[in-house]
Amino acid sequence: EIVMMQSPATLSVSPGERATLSCRASQSVSSNLAWYQQKPGQAPRLLIYGASTRATGIPARFSGSGSGTEFTLTISSLQSEDFAVYYCQQYNNWPLTFGGGTKVEIK
Amino acid sequence: EVQLVETGGGLIQPGGSLRLSCAASGFTVSSNYMSWVRQAPGKGLEWVSVIYSGGSTYYADSVKGRFTISRDNSKNTLYLQMNSLRAEDTAVYYCARIGDHLYIDYWGQGTLVTVSS
Repeated sequence: EIVMMQSPATLSVSPGERATLSCRASQSVSSNLAWYQQKPGQAPRLLIYGASTRATGIPARFSGSGSGTEFTLTISSLQSEDFAVYYCQQYNNWPLTFGGGTKVEIK
Repeated sequence: EVQLVETGGGLIQPGGSLRLSCAASGFTVSSNYMSWVRQAPGKGLEWVSVIYSGGSTYYADSVKGRFTISRDNSKNTLYLQMNSLRAEDTAVYYCARIGDHLYIDYWGQGTLVTVSS
């Protein structure tokens, strides 16, 4: 099973600032990496797939990069609605596995 | 519009059984890979099971032999039969559609299963 590790666990950011979230895979997942956003009491929402392709309706301030084992999600200018937990997930191999999440909180 | 609506959660005693349902609209369940993903209270996401469009099924080791995923094509509905439930199965269970390249593109709102005496 591929283990996904996210860092940091919590990121404190002021509105308008840039946030950089990291995700590392225990072995190569090529570009088969997705990012999800989850707000309290809600289901996750797909943000990025293929490591760098924004899903339909996702604002351009969200961008993804990386391949192989190292990935990054960048939120260029945090808006109030962006404070949430973010998960990465690999879909290169079964079972599908998720990182432990990064909580982006207001500084 | 794609929609997934889960039902069937609740409080169940250890060792008991429960069946979750996921009614889909806006697409055909049998034409897609469909999964169940769970989230224990305050924890991260854990993939549970998948059913391929061809009907093959796979399970996480943690539920293998106890859970069964299935679908009813006439009702466009996905199911998860959960037997021999344990306290560690307590979680919100999400129904999810898997897109063309195996990422999850749509999620239901989730249904809470609590296993406790």
